Amino acid sequence: AQSVTQPDIHITVSEGASLELRCNYSYGATPYLFWYVQSPGQGLQLLLKYFSGDTLVQGIKGFEAEFKRSQSSFNLRKPSVHWSDAAEYFCAVGLTDSWGKFQFGAGTQVVVTP
Amino acid sequence: SAVISQKPSRDICQRGTSLTIQCQVDSQVTMMFWYRQQPGQSLTLIATANQGSEATYESGFVIDKFPISRPNLTFSTLTVSNMSPEDSSIYLCSVEKGAGDQQFFGPGTRLTVL
Repeated sequence: AQSVTQPDIHITVSEGASLELRCNYSYGATPYLFWYVQSPGQGLQLLLKYFSGDTLVQGIKGFEAEFKRSQSSFNLRKPSVHWSDAAEYFCAVGLTDSWGKFQFGAGTQVVVTP
Repeated sequence: SAVISQKPSRDICQRGTSLTIQCQVDSQVTMMFWYRQQPGQSLTLIATANQGSEATYESGFVIDKFPISRPNLTFSTLTVSNMSPEDSSIYLCSVEKGAGDQQFFGPGTRLTVL
């Protein structure tokens, strides 16, 4: 069965510092991978996605993620965080045998300190 | 893109009652889905809303508890029946346009059951 693991429930980072959020997946086929952000009281916003090709994916708001097949990982990074990056981040696997269906990770809550 | 609206945005309901949540999309979409996000939890897929036929439910979800309608390609409803406090969650509508690479989420309906 497919699964998505986000090992870090909560991360605190200083404004201006770098951020890395971990995501590991288990899926039989080549996965479609996504990162979403959910700000307080807001809906889900897509940051970036990986389907194929270049394993380093650029997204919105200065985020990037790298797909590493050998490690079954899709970690999200940002070189310098802003206070507005405080939010909950979800990694998700798109089920290729059923378009539009996602398996979500548990989420990582990011707190940004001054 | 797709603009999704949900009604109501939030509600507080009494135990034993039912609530119907509406999801309206600004364009025709192939696939529509309903997710649940329990407090402090990740998103879990409830069902796929099929146009013109019965919804397809994920393991752990049944039609008697979560009846779903989808009368056309832009609209769907989810009913939470015979509610208990454990049903307190955010319910999100999601749509897919294209071959799995365009997924959009509604703003969610925050339900509190007393």
